Amino acid sequence: LAKTTQPISMDSYEGQEVNITCSHNNIATNDYITWYQQFPSQGPRFIIQGYKTKVTNEVASLFIPADRKSSTLSLPRVSLSDTAVYYCLVGTEGSSNTGKLIFGQGTTLQVKP
Amino acid sequence: NAGVTQTPKFQVLKTGQSMTLQCAQDMNHNSMYWYRQDPGMGLRLIYYSASEGTTDKGEVPNGYNVSRLNKREFSLRLESAAPSQTSVYFCASSDTRSPNYGYTFGSGTRLTVV
Repeated sequence: LAKTTQPISMDSYEGQEVNITCSHNNIATNDYITWYQQFPSQGPRFIIQGYKTKVTNEVASLFIPADRKSSTLSLPRVSLSDTAVYYCLVGTEGSSNTGKLIFGQGTTLQVKP
Repeated sequence: NAGVTQTPKFQVLKTGQSMTLQCAQDMNHNSMYWYRQDPGMGLRLIYYSASEGTTDKGEVPNGYNVSRLNKREFSLRLESAAPSQTSVYFCASSDTRSPNYGYTFGSGTRLTVV
């Protein structure tokens, strides 16, 4: 399973764009990159998943360079309610896979007014 | 409502007591997981079940046992609770047969062992 490295914490202000970068140098060919968000006293919530290039949904964008050794989660115009811990994970999909994903410490994003 | 349901939400145990944490999902997912999260830490995988009838150890299995009762239910048992098992426990499920999959987590069980 590929290990990920991401900053422990980040600060931002309301209305700014926030980019959180995750390093995964040992990512395997079949691995997908997935980001989760966790608020205090809640379970993590799936945000976005991608394999290569760019993926966008109503919440965030995920940028993955050609070598796939890193990825960047982009949150547009953050608000106070985006204060949370963000986890980057890599794992292998497919019917033969257990889906076992290992969480790191995540990035604690603090959005200030 | 579709999702992952965990019971109980809170529990206090005395050292040496036993208990079972219950988890059920209604999304027809094949895989289920148990994680623990200590204060200020990320989640650590205790056990997982890739399909009904199979279970495997994760990162921190010592002191725990699991049962995949059927496709919907995956329980976690503490046979003899220790203060080091004070934590928040999360159950999750996923459909790994889908090309892209994500986990759905329950709301957690906050366990204190005194």
